[in-house]
Amino acid sequence: EVQLVESGGVVVQPGGSLRLSCAASGFNFDHHTMHWVRQAPGKGLEWVSLIGRAGTNTYFADSVKGRFTISRDNSKNSLYLQMNSLRIEDTAFYYCARDQGNYNGLDVWGQGTTVTVSS
Amino acid sequence: SFELTQPPSVSVSPGQTASITCSGDKLGDKSACWYQQKPGQSPVLVIYEDTKRPSGIPERFSGSHSGNTATLTISGTQALDEADYYCQAWDSRTAVLFGGGTKLTVL
Repeated sequence: EVQLVESGGVVVQPGGSLRLSCAASGFNFDHHTMHWVRQAPGKGLEWVSLIGRAGTNTYFADSVKGRFTISRDNSKNSLYLQMNSLRIEDTAFYYCARDQGNYNGLDVWGQGTTVTVSS
Repeated sequence: SFELTQPPSVSVSPGQTASITCSGDKLGDKSACWYQQKPGQSPVLVIYEDTKRPSGIPERFSGSHSGNTATLTISGTQALDEADYYCQAWDSRTAVLFGGGTKLTVL
């Protein structure tokens, strides 16, 4: 079964750091670009970041650029999101998602993990 | 900057056709994807490359694209289609962009 499972979401204080993980199974992980997408409570989807198959190409939304880094370990079928200098507005449900390829959308999504930034 | 605009809400009667639009100044030279998200669930890809349906998505879901507007159409709408729908496109500067989402209500 193709599956993505996120973990690492917790309550953290403003200015703090957090690392999210996403474990992939059931498919050739290193064949796919991967994404992080978040959703603030009661709000819409917001794309956060993507990483290419080899891990050398990365892109970020302006809202997280310079604070978040994305990485992957293809030997462990794992995706990561390092979140630094967290702000109240980073509070959201964070999903990892698989890119179908060739600009054909995100076809597999995890169940998400909750990040709450609060003092 | 490139933005995708969707109507906040659309209402439809059961069995009727629902249309949800997604517009953007630069959407004309890009392809669009559509996602369905039900409360408490992760998004599901329902249309990609403007018109293509992933396996397992019912035929009543279709997509079209004309100029700067992409449209998701649900024919013979059922109560279980009630959900939030998001369009998404790729942009050279922002990489990935989602529309604001449309809440589809089946009355």
